[in-house]
Amino acid sequence: EAEVAQSPRYKITEKSQAVAFWCDPISGHATLYWYRQILGQGPELLVQFQDESVVDDSQLPKDRFSAERLKGVDSTLKIQPAELGDSAMYLCASSFGADRLRYEQYFGPGTRLTVT
Amino acid sequence: AQSVAQPEDQVNVAEGNPLTVKCTYSVSGNPYLFWYVQYPNRGLQFLLKYITGDNLVKGSYGFEAEFNKSQTSFHLKKPSALVSDSALYFCAVRDREYGGSQGNLIFGKGTKLSVKP
Repeated sequence: EAEVAQSPRYKITEKSQAVAFWCDPISGHATLYWYRQILGQGPELLVQFQDESVVDDSQLPKDRFSAERLKGVDSTLKIQPAELGDSAMYLCASSFGADRLRYEQYFGPGTRLTVT
Repeated sequence: AQSVAQPEDQVNVAEGNPLTVKCTYSVSGNPYLFWYVQYPNRGLQFLLKYITGDNLVKGSYGFEAEFNKSQTSFHLKKPSALVSDSALYFCAVRDREYGGSQGNLIFGKGTKLSVKP
């Protein structure tokens, strides 16, 4: 069964450093999501792509976070500089289309970031 | 504003007993409701959703949920719990009147289900 791939699975970085996460969605999925899940809380959407275009980045802290999906396939989420409060699980998800009622989101295993 | 509450941080059940994981929501219009499960070191997996129609929704792995509009609840249930059901369960809501079917989901903070043999 096809899965969403994410790397690295774990990342420890010092504050003020740059960090990047990679996501490879299920083949053929046009919609890609990045979520942040703080320990003890549910996931919060950071950014949503439809193909290579950003359709929702209203919750992305744009002063330090950036995301791209240049060829409409895999995606990178970057944090620069990292802050202690960025410690969380970063989840990537993909779906065939943006209609959440019609198309199920498939989640990757996540990248657990620890900022020291 | 949209919000979802999972009032229990943890639910403990003996194997073979029925289980209930509670969820209540708040939306300005009518809701779309979802349940997801997260196993350790795994991403979230979709269990079931309520869009419209029958208030009792059946999903994966024998789980079901009942939509109760008067109580604004969408509790997850299973008649007979398995040890393998032990995981973190998330309820999510979307306001039908806010952005249609393509808008963001609001997740609860999760409930840890522990099923003991």
